Amino acid sequence: QKEVEQDPGPLSVPEGAIVSLNCTYSNSAFQYFMWYRQYSRKGPELLMYTYSSGNKEDGRFTAQVDKSSKYISLFIRDSQPSDSATYLCAMKAGGSYIPTFGRGTSLIVHP
Amino acid sequence: SAVISQKPSRDICQRGTSLTIQCQVDSQVTMMFWYRQQPGQSLTLIATANQGSEATYESGFVIDKFPISRPNLTFSTLTVSNMSPEDSSIYLCSVVRGDGLSTDTQYFGPGTRLTVL
Repeated sequence: QKEVEQDPGPLSVPEGAIVSLNCTYSNSAFQYFMWYRQYSRKGPELLMYTYSSGNKEDGRFTAQVDKSSKYISLFIRDSQPSDSATYLCAMKAGGSYIPTFGRGTSLIVHP
Repeated sequence: SAVISQKPSRDICQRGTSLTIQCQVDSQVTMMFWYRQQPGQSLTLIATANQGSEATYESGFVIDKFPISRPNLTFSTLTVSNMSPEDSSIYLCSVVRGDGLSTDTQYFGPGTRLTVL
């Protein structure tokens, strides 16, 4: 079993839909949770960064962490075609500067 | 944030040859990292490159295959040596701003897309 599991998709949704992207993990030492967005032929860019359990909101994006279930989510409201990209979850333990990445989920938002 | 550039952006190479990838950062950083991203796979860390010391390689990666240089705090190179088709991948340079604490965030370059024939 991999430390971080992420469904590669693709996930195809109509414009305006609410998108839910998820990752599960097995290492209970993970305390810092990140979501990166990667457009085609570009490097990953940091989208959300959260610590421990709870929710964090930034515009149309909400990151949710449930440490008891070892489950993290990224919600995108009012999705736009420009949101079409691969979304990678990443997480790291306290005292570590190297995150463990998921495989990424390919999201397609069609007009 | 950090502005990171990589050269070349892509290349097609013959097996048995070597390719050196350059990474330039817009300001000084302590830690630089090299990752590999294969289709459908997660980002895999190759090595950590700190200025003034030898690179630290992850399990499965060796210096003879992936020699790294870090001559100063804004620049690093990764060489993919004696290439085979299995080395076809995207190679990403990454930096961390800060002191290597858990709260520091990682920034990535645009990547180098390598195809080995």
